[in-house]
Amino acid sequence: DAGVIQSPRHEVTEMGQEVTLRCKPISGHNSLFWYRQTMMRGLELLIYFNNNVPIDDSGMPEDRFSAKMPNASFSTLKIQPSEPRDSAVYFCASSQQGAQPQHFGDGTRLSIL
Amino acid sequence: RKEVEQDPGPFNVPEGATVAFNCTYSNSASQSFFWYRQDCRKEPKLLMSVYSSGNEDGRFTAQLNRASQYISLLIRDSKLSDSATYLCVVVAPGGFKTIFGAGTRLFVKA
Repeated sequence: DAGVIQSPRHEVTEMGQEVTLRCKPISGHNSLFWYRQTMMRGLELLIYFNNNVPIDDSGMPEDRFSAKMPNASFSTLKIQPSEPRDSAVYFCASSQQGAQPQHFGDGTRLSIL
Repeated sequence: RKEVEQDPGPFNVPEGATVAFNCTYSNSASQSFFWYRQDCRKEPKLLMSVYSSGNEDGRFTAQLNRASQYISLLIRDSKLSDSATYLCVVVAPGGFKTIFGAGTRLFVKA
């Protein structure tokens, strides 16, 4: 069975550039979560969706960050403009409903130079 | 006070040892609790859910103490393959907001 699919796996770009991270949740899962992980701050929940609707985006660090879920099988996390402090691993996770056991994608390793 | 706190370790134990991790949480109304495992440069994976009555899965036992607001994980007969970071997870009231602890690193040595 296909798990959560994230792309790209790695992204290196210069500061000021727009970055778009993509996620395909597991088919049939109704909830989707975006996380950011750094050594300093650990794993932080940025935003989560239920049935394609954003429920809580209070974890989004700044207005430079935005997330969308246009349909049940696709979500994006966008950073514009990017800054070096945005460098982290970004994970997408999905669950059947709510915070019931979540399945994580492989993550996107983002480096902003 | 952090919402979820864990001892970062590392815990260095020999094979066959029993090791226990604790995790405390601040919101007494928290709904659900889990332990996840994360290997180096990999994604977190669910290890087990934590129930008030306690639950066991092979060599792993999880306990929840609501009165004291802590969760524990016990690993018996440690294997080299148990070396990883163990993340305590607490779900806030409402059933969606998921808060991860910083993780406890475990190294099991031959």
